[in-house]
Amino acid sequence: DAKTTQPTSMDCAEGRAANLPCNHSTISGNEYVYWYRQIHSQGPQYIIHGLKNNETNEMASLIITEDRKSSTLILPHATLRDTAVYYCIVRVATSGSRLTFGEGTQLTVNP
Amino acid sequence: EAGVVQSPRYKIIEKKQPVAFWCNPISGHNTLYWYLQNLGQGPELLIRYENEEAVDDSQLPKDRFSAERLKGVDSTLKIQPAELGDSAVYLCASSSGSSGGLTDTQYFGPGTRLTVL
Repeated sequence: DAKTTQPTSMDCAEGRAANLPCNHSTISGNEYVYWYRQIHSQGPQYIIHGLKNNETNEMASLIITEDRKSSTLILPHATLRDTAVYYCIVRVATSGSRLTFGEGTQLTVNP
Repeated sequence: EAGVVQSPRYKIIEKKQPVAFWCNPISGHNTLYWYLQNLGQGPELLIRYENEEAVDDSQLPKDRFSAERLKGVDSTLKIQPAELGDSAVYLCASSSGSSGGLTDTQYFGPGTRLTVL
């Protein structure tokens, strides 16, 4: 699986957009980009995934660059409850359902 | 819809003692996973079940760890004997796909926090 690189931590003001970057420069053509988050003392929670097109759901938007070497998760109006560790994961089509988590980005939303 | 249920939420034991964790996946989910999460790190897969069959247990330390999913529904993960380094959070997850499909979303339980003294 391709390796991902994320900043260790980020801060965001409540009500503002949170933009979380992820680099995956060795991504292959058949690999998807997944985002999960983990709120303190809870299990990881699925947010969104995409292959090459931008994706949006009720939680967030995922912007993938044209060369697919990086992506950005956007939380449009961050709330205090969005404070969590955010994991960017690249998933190989042939490796079954294994999710390989890195250390993620600790997002802190401040009032 | 109930989520993934795990018990206990917390467990404190002395080293060399046995310990077991229980997981009940989301109803109808064929695939069940056990992950280990050390402090400050992301979860790591220990074992994956498709129904009652363990299809990926390459990361499970088989000398002291064992798991079962006898009826293809709930599952138990056991450590015997526990070591100090086993202190971690043990997470269970489930998904509905039967072959670990690429877009198959995994739903996680709250985990069991194990402390070995």
